Amino acid sequence: KNQVEQSPQSLIILEGKNCTLQCNYTVSPFSNLRWYKQDTGRGPVSLTIMTFSENTKSNGRYTATLDADTKQSSLHITASQLSDSASYICVVTETGANNLFFGTGTRLTVIP
Amino acid sequence: DVKVTQSSRYLVKRTGEKVFLECVQDMDHENMFWYRQDPGLGLRLIYFSYDVKMKEKGDIPEGYSVSREKKERFSLILESASTNQTSMYLCASSWGEPIRYTFGSGTRLTVV
Repeated sequence: KNQVEQSPQSLIILEGKNCTLQCNYTVSPFSNLRWYKQDTGRGPVSLTIMTFSENTKSNGRYTATLDADTKQSSLHITASQLSDSASYICVVTETGANNLFFGTGTRLTVIP
Repeated sequence: DVKVTQSSRYLVKRTGEKVFLECVQDMDHENMFWYRQDPGLGLRLIYFSYDVKMKEKGDIPEGYSVSREKKERFSLILESASTNQTSMYLCASSWGEPIRYTFGSGTRLTVV
């Protein structure tokens, strides 16, 4: 069964600190993996997208890594800001299909 | 930038009412999707459409129908709203290779 699991479920960090969010998946055959940021009451907004051949991608203070062999991805946030408080969702796509498999997200709260 | 617009941010409806959720995209995308998002369950696909008047059931189509009369507009219909349909509803459209998705801001529906 294709699944995407994220950890931790929630995280509280101090402003200025770094943090890493994890995503493990069993989706196969794998096409690509995306990280989305979703502010409360808003739709998800894409942060990064990585295909099989990419193992790291950055978007400002956000850096995503992908290990397609172990089927793991991480999202690293550097020098966190209050505006980083949001849910971060990992989404994996099957090859040749339009099927998206969503993780349940990590709720990040950045406190001053 | 691709824009996906959902007509209502918040809706409150009574049990048994017929409810229409509207979604419009401005980039002539063929593929459009309706998801619902519930705590602990992530996003689940209700229906998608890959062309005008074409539709496919997603994972949880029961209690819902859709309409795609024009390419830019994809409507989700709750024939007879029930309290278990209280949720956040997200519309998306997709394009490109690898496939990229843009989500609307969401409609928070409460059925009382």
